[in-house]
Amino acid sequence: EAGVAQSPRYKIIEKRQSVAFWCNPISGHATLYWYQQILGQGPKLLIQFQNNGVVDDSQLPKDRFSAERLKGVDSTLKIQPAKLEDSAVYLCASTYGTGSYEQYFGPGTRLTVT
Amino acid sequence: ILNVEQSPQSLHVQEGDSTNFTCSFPSSNFYALHWYRWETAKSPEALFVMTLNGDEKKKGRISATLNTKEGYSYLYIKGSQPEDSATYLCAFENQGGKLIFGQGTELSVKP
Repeated sequence: EAGVAQSPRYKIIEKRQSVAFWCNPISGHATLYWYQQILGQGPKLLIQFQNNGVVDDSQLPKDRFSAERLKGVDSTLKIQPAKLEDSAVYLCASTYGTGSYEQYFGPGTRLTVT
Repeated sequence: ILNVEQSPQSLHVQEGDSTNFTCSFPSSNFYALHWYRWETAKSPEALFVMTLNGDEKKKGRISATLNTKEGYSYLYIKGSQPEDSATYLCAFENQGGKLIFGQGTELSVKP
């Protein structure tokens, strides 16, 4: 079974630029998550999708972050414009359902904003 | 705001040592406790999902226990090997299915 795919793996941008990350979850997984992991902290949930609908985006900074999962499969996360404090690893995860199911993570995208 | 705390933040041991880490979490609104291992440049990998008070799970040299009444879980590694070097994350899952992660314990095992 193929794992969760993410691209790019690394990205360096200047502040005020835009950036987009892509995630392809495991086939058949209805639930998709985007997490932000800042150095020294645990991953923090940004947004959760169930198929192509948003379940929880309470911690997504909506003035600059947006995410979509139009066909209920792939997802993109965009930051526009980026700030220095957005430097982090952005992890995508997917799961078959919710409620004590394992979340399967991709390798993450390491973003550096200079 | 829920706090999930892990200790220690980092740990350096010699090959062959046994070690353990702690994860403390709120005892209310509990649904499950997850442990992940995250090696550098790789994807976080699920180790255990535990739901019942008193649960004990084992995978090879790694085991975990769960106490939901007092809000803690221990992860044990017996006879640490260099390939065990990684960050170990715990995550509290609430009744709504949301995972709240601790900051992780970074383990380094020297040969």
